[in-house]
Amino acid sequence: DAGVIQSPRHEVTEMGQEVTLRCKPISGHNSLFWYRQTMMRGLELLIYFNNNVPIDDSGMPEDRFSAKMPNASFSTLKIQPSEPRDSAVYFCASSQGTSYNSPLHFGNGTRLTVT
Amino acid sequence: AQSVSQHNHHVILSEAASLELGCNYSYGGTVNLFWYVQYPGQHLQLLLKYFSGDPLVKGIKGFEAEFIKSKFSFNLRKPSVQWSDTAEYFCAVSSGCYQKVTFGTGTKLQVIP
Repeated sequence: DAGVIQSPRHEVTEMGQEVTLRCKPISGHNSLFWYRQTMMRGLELLIYFNNNVPIDDSGMPEDRFSAKMPNASFSTLKIQPSEPRDSAVYFCASSQGTSYNSPLHFGNGTRLTVT
Repeated sequence: AQSVSQHNHHVILSEAASLELGCNYSYGGTVNLFWYVQYPGQHLQLLLKYFSGDPLVKGIKGFEAEFIKSKFSFNLRKPSVQWSDTAEYFCAVSSGCYQKVTFGTGTKLQVIP
């Protein structure tokens, strides 16, 4: 079990550029979550999917953020255009969704810095 | 909507001291409760979880938590902390058919040797 895999580990970009974060969940997990972690606001849920379908995107800050899950083994979080206030660590996590005995498994995160 | 509150933002303890971190949640239905730990520079890892049964749950590394339904609480405890317990601790609740997980704001624990 390779765990949840996120790429890149670090991303430094200039304001206005497009940023794409990638996530490969654990095989067999049918729920996928994107979280953002900052010192000021802690861990915020941005969006989550169940069986590749977005269930709740109310945490997505604004229209500049979008997320997709084209298949069970891949998801992206895109920010276009990026702004300095988007700087944070973005975590992807997966779980077996409707199974009651399934906690979240987190990836190592992507540290995004927007200058 | 469910929410989680952690009362302590930053706790400093000496080694061998006892630890209790508070966690309260608000949700009217059935919930599942978790404590996660994030060591410096790492991702979150599960410490322990409660789904049903015995409200006193034991996790890894000597941690335990007690679910008190009447108080909507799920406090984390450890009788004697070690320097290696220095980390940030997050309480979380999941509910609903899709098991949406909501985290508290976290408590930073610093253990002084």
